[in-house]
Amino acid sequence: ETGVTQSPTHLIKTRGQQVTLRCSSQSGHNTVSWYQQALGQGPQFIFQYYREEENGRGNFPPRFSGLQFPNYSSELNVNALELDDSALYLCASSSRVSGNTIYFGEGSWLTVV
Amino acid sequence: GDSVTQMEGPVTLSEEAFLTINCTYTATGYPSLFWYVQYPGEGLQLLLKATKADDKGSNKGFEATYRKETTSFHLEKGSVQVSDSAVYFCALWTPNTGNQFYFGTGTSLTVIP
Repeated sequence: ETGVTQSPTHLIKTRGQQVTLRCSSQSGHNTVSWYQQALGQGPQFIFQYYREEENGRGNFPPRFSGLQFPNYSSELNVNALELDDSALYLCASSSRVSGNTIYFGEGSWLTVV
Repeated sequence: GDSVTQMEGPVTLSEEAFLTINCTYTATGYPSLFWYVQYPGEGLQLLLKATKADDKGSNKGFEATYRKETTSFHLEKGSVQVSDSAVYFCALWTPNTGNQFYFGTGTSLTVIP
């Protein structure tokens, strides 16, 4: 069984730029959630995608957007990057079989300078 | 709103010591409760969960009991090992949370030989 995979693992961007992070869900999982984890903090929910549509959103501005593809993989896009966007971005997948349990990838470390 | 409060860290213990990490929650409805563990440089891994009052989740020698009367889900282990050094996150989910998990701020555990 393939777990959740994310890319890239690390990246550095300049303030004002845009970034795209990618996630492949665990085999058999059709729901993908994205979380932001600032240094020393717990993960904060950004949004969730199910059947290619946004299915819940946390307290993040519209410059955080996403997509889900027919194969259930997903992208997180962040426009107009700010210094405070520097964080670990975690993707998690789940399915009806996994119930309300989500399984995380290793994350993408984003540094904004 | 829904939230999780975790015991402040960091926690340092000697090998074979007893571990307790406190977690209390506030939730509308009937939450499912989780403990996730994050090893250095990695994503979050599910450690254990409980979905209803008085359930006990257990895994790898760790245990936590869902106490509705005290709104708690404390993590315990009878004898910690150096390999247990990690950050531990308590989390909750309810059907009313818009598909999001609420995480605590994490408790860092270091076990010394």
